[in-house]
Amino acid sequence: DADVTQTPRNRITKTGKRIMLECSQTKGHDRMYWYRQDPGLGLRLIYYSFDVKDINKGEISDGYSVSRQAQAKFSLSLESAIPNQTALYFCATSENAAPSYEQYFGPGTRLTVT
Amino acid sequence: GNSVTQMEGPVTLSEEAFLTINCTYTATGYPSLFWYVQYPGEGLQLLLKATKADDKGSNKGFEATYRKETTSFHLEKGSVQVSDSAVYFCALRNTGFQKLVFGTGTRLLVSP
Repeated sequence: DADVTQTPRNRITKTGKRIMLECSQTKGHDRMYWYRQDPGLGLRLIYYSFDVKDINKGEISDGYSVSRQAQAKFSLSLESAIPNQTALYFCATSENAAPSYEQYFGPGTRLTVT
Repeated sequence: GNSVTQMEGPVTLSEEAFLTINCTYTATGYPSLFWYVQYPGEGLQLLLKATKADDKGSNKGFEATYRKETTSFHLEKGSVQVSDSAVYFCALRNTGFQKLVFGTGTRLLVSP
């Protein structure tokens, strides 16, 4: 079984709808992240969480919110989806071990907002 | 601020050719450097890493050396295979920060 799972894998939604993307991990990591990937822009950080009570904005958090329901679960919500939020979304986790803090990525959710 | 610059792709090679994908960075302090690979339809996987100057990361025939004097971390492989076709991302993590900064990615296409 995959260590980091994301649901759904693909989603098409309409402008103005609320949508939630879910991420679960079995790696036992405290740290979790949400990124979006756009062609030519690489990956950009939306939100990150270093433990259940610690949630932080990344570089592009406007229009998004998150919830850390448990150590293993980190959800990303789009309260009112808009077309420029069409992208590939990745969840990642990382260990607490210096010096590399390697990140482990889920398979991604392809979101299309029409 | 921190940033990573990668060569634009796609890079198109024939099987068994030599590969170089350039990566340079801007950072304060002493960052750790990474190469991630994304195969079609999958998430990113760590390919190799280096945590201090002059370190060489290596994995699956790929290598990259952390060059502080040129702020570079170029990815190389002596003989590419069709199965190496993927998107490659260079990334850095700066001292004291637990976040990765990614380059824009370079697509590699290897033909038989």
